[in-house]
Amino acid sequence: DSGVTQTPKHLITATGQRVTLRCSPRSGDLSVYWYQQSLDQGLQFLIQYYNGEERAKGNILERFSAQQFPDLHSELNLSSLELGDSALYFCASSVGGQGPTYNEQFFGPGTRLTVL
Amino acid sequence: DAKTTQPNSMESNEEEPVHLPCNHSTISGTDYIHWYRQLPSQGPEYVIHGLTSNVNNRMASLAIAEDRKSSTLILHRATLRDAAVYYCILRDSQGGSEKLVFGKGTKLTVNP
Repeated sequence: DSGVTQTPKHLITATGQRVTLRCSPRSGDLSVYWYQQSLDQGLQFLIQYYNGEERAKGNILERFSAQQFPDLHSELNLSSLELGDSALYFCASSVGGQGPTYNEQFFGPGTRLTVL
Repeated sequence: DAKTTQPNSMESNEEEPVHLPCNHSTISGTDYIHWYRQLPSQGPEYVIHGLTSNVNNRMASLAIAEDRKSSTLILHRATLRDAAVYYCILRDSQGGSEKLVFGKGTKLTVNP
């Protein structure tokens, strides 16, 4: 158990719909990361938040958005869903900060999204 | 982000050592070498990381070539639980983000 929780575990929805994935980081971690894992693209970084502020953006579609709340939990919102959005979505957390000190990332169990 | 090259798959026998190679010929002086692994149906988990010197922890050892253009993750005695996809990742220690850029990794099969 990494200490990172994600809900829901599974989500099945239809094209065009909107869903929200939730992540609670490990206690004390300030950084939250979202990754998408699909069969054809592998594991891809989407976005990072640090203490409520967006820190880095990856290959995140405009239809997707995220935020980190004052209690440090994060939500990933996916809208106008397409079949190709079906994937595993992982949240990870780390102590955060930047510089040469490396902060190991702890990954949650993921949310499996199926768009029909 | 600097690229890494890993074999698609490797096989080993239980209780034998496993050496997982990674080539990173374009590594910069400030890039750390990280290894994560992903067990079936789970999220990735951190294994080890290093900059220049060899590193050991309870899970594995990391051997880094003198020119840093390659590295090897060593599992000293493979168990069935070590069957996973192993990712070798470079991260710039001077960068503003700690994002991980995953490649395809090496799928390790451990035979009983």
